Amino acid sequence: AQTVTQSQPEMSVQEAETVTLSCTYDTSENNYYLFWYKQPPSRQMILVIRQEAYKQQNATENRFSVNFQKAAKSFSLKISDSQLGDTAMYFCAFMIEWAGKSTFGDGTTLTVKP
Amino acid sequence: GAVVSQHPSWVICKSGTSVKIECRSLDFQATTMFWYRQFPKQSLMLMATSNEGSKATYEQGVEKDKFLINHASLTLSTLTVTSAHPEDSSFYICSARDGFQTSTEAFFGQGTRLTVV
Repeated sequence: AQTVTQSQPEMSVQEAETVTLSCTYDTSENNYYLFWYKQPPSRQMILVIRQEAYKQQNATENRFSVNFQKAAKSFSLKISDSQLGDTAMYFCAFMIEWAGKSTFGDGTTLTVKP
Repeated sequence: GAVVSQHPSWVICKSGTSVKIECRSLDFQATTMFWYRQFPKQSLMLMATSNEGSKATYEQGVEKDKFLINHASLTLSTLTVTSAHPEDSSFYICSARDGFQTSTEAFFGQGTRLTVV
């Protein structure tokens, strides 16, 4: 079975600063995907960034980037130039390529302070 | 982009009654849909996986007779909470995956807040 661990229940950052959210996972699979989702107060799940396990290059999406360390089974999210709208709960998720269903971490509540 | 619509957004029902939640893929064919349950400030817990035209696969500990899932078409899956009780109050989220595309991620509906009184 796959497990996803987010060790930071809550974090805060000043507006315009950079923050890194941690995520580790455990699996014996070789072909899988990792995701970071944002869940604002509306509770709509929003995909932030995706990483294919077979790609060595770290994924980036504008202000969001990941540090994917496959051997260490680590997948952290860096948010640069934090904005007030980034305040949300962030979930790290793991998906086996063929299965389609995702396993989620417990989430990190991020507060961006003005 | 891929859109998944979940209805209703919120519902209040009396104990003992049943309530149906719909999950529709609006612009793609969802060969697989997933149903999650989320308690406040907690993670998403997978309840079941439904594939179009076949029986749903339930996760361990989820009561099949209580949470009826039907995936009768490639655009619609329904979750029926039968004989609801206050402990069934929760936030239910569906997601859908386009099995005919190379896209890997599943797309989420906006969720349904169920309150059983």
